[in-house]
Amino acid sequence: GAVVSQHPSRVICKSGTSVKIECRSLDFQATTMFWYRQFPKQSLMLMATSNEGSKATYEQGVEKDKFLINHASLTLSTLTVTSAHPEDSSFYICSAPGLAGSTQETQYFGPGTRLLVL
Amino acid sequence: SQQGEEDPQALSIQEGENATMNCSYKTSINNLQWYRQNSGRGLVHLILIRSNEREKHSGRLRVTLDTSKKSSSLLITASRAADTASYFCATDQANTGKLIFGQGTTLQVKP
Repeated sequence: GAVVSQHPSRVICKSGTSVKIECRSLDFQATTMFWYRQFPKQSLMLMATSNEGSKATYEQGVEKDKFLINHASLTLSTLTVTSAHPEDSSFYICSAPGLAGSTQETQYFGPGTRLLVL
Repeated sequence: SQQGEEDPQALSIQEGENATMNCSYKTSINNLQWYRQNSGRGLVHLILIRSNEREKHSGRLRVTLDTSKKSSSLLITASRAADTASYFCATDQANTGKLIFGQGTTLQVKP
């Protein structure tokens, strides 16, 4: 089946620094990818939709200047957490639809990136 | 915002028993999906049921959908210790791929 990878799997950074998380579709192309955030023992919350060749669209309450998204190619989307603070510590997960450009029904999720901001 | 509720929040059963999880949602949907998440890991897609379907099976999984009640259930039959995980329902309102997740049910299957 389709594979989505994320890098890094785990990152620890100091407060005020920026962290970049990569999401790659390994064996298929994805014009759209989605970024979710999951706090401990909670569910996933959709943050934004990453669109190849155009600006990302953000969900209500998500600061676009705080969470920069760049869909650089048909297989890569990056999420940069700028000026990270301890409250940004979370599990960040990306997903891509299994059939690029067509039905969005099945989403393939990356393994997640655990961010800890000290 | 979360689409709805899942219940129970936690479920503990013995190996071999059946596990039933319920999910309710608030708006009209195009499809509803169930995912599994092992602790600290990514999500694994289990099954998708469309809004015009009422029941679907996949191996030991059985999913029902009642759009009039805006609810779905996931039944895992003959559970195994390896089924221990968190299970989430997620709805796609307009077939855009944007998923709204339920709160999840943590299932523990004791050997």
